Amino acid sequence: DQQVKQNSPSLSVQEGRISILNCDYTNSMFDYFLWYKKYPAEGPTFLISISSIKDKNEDGRFTVFLNKSAKHLSLHIVPSQPGDSAVYFCAASAKLLTGGGNKLTFGTGTQLKVEL
Amino acid sequence: NAGVMQNPRHLVRRRGQEARLRCSPMKGHSHVYWYRQLPEEGLKFMVYLQKENIIDESGMPKERFSAEFPKEGPSILRIQQVVRGDSAAYFCASSPWMNTEAFFGQGTRLTVV
Repeated sequence: DQQVKQNSPSLSVQEGRISILNCDYTNSMFDYFLWYKKYPAEGPTFLISISSIKDKNEDGRFTVFLNKSAKHLSLHIVPSQPGDSAVYFCAASAKLLTGGGNKLTFGTGTQLKVEL
Repeated sequence: NAGVMQNPRHLVRRRGQEARLRCSPMKGHSHVYWYRQLPEEGLKFMVYLQKENIIDESGMPKERFSAEFPKEGPSILRIQQVVRGDSAAYFCASSPWMNTEAFFGQGTRLTVV
């Protein structure tokens, strides 16, 4: 049962344009959502997160939007740069169930390619 | 402040051997998590530990796999009698108490031949 879904395995965007990566979840107990970026042969790097009490969080070129009623979140990157080319993972956690820890459920990732 | 340190980065084992993967969390972090990424898949939670305690091992295979986080030293993920299906990237992450962001190490790539 895939509780966090990233339905687009890949996305190609031109440099300077907006990249929009999407993520859907099914577990209504999730209360915190994170985006990680991963380069080949490296570990995931934390990008940005959002609590379920918010609907938007912005950090520089990265903005995450959360639509709780639709159980959907998206990551916007603007403007996109070639160095953004990587695999992006959406992750979710339900802290109340894990006693203060941060057990994450990951999506399968979207490969973003930013072209010149 | 050094990040999460994992070693070795690459590990090759023959079928039936044991694999030991080590993880040193970031300084001040009391929680350690192990995740596994199989080829073409996302990261899957395996186990969550605090010092000397396993908090949640719901993602660990029932046999051959074990994890520990002793009072002193790194966390160890141990795989006994490895099989080809154990070939994967194993990532360790750590977080402080009640913090929502987990920070990942660079992973150990296990290849079983």
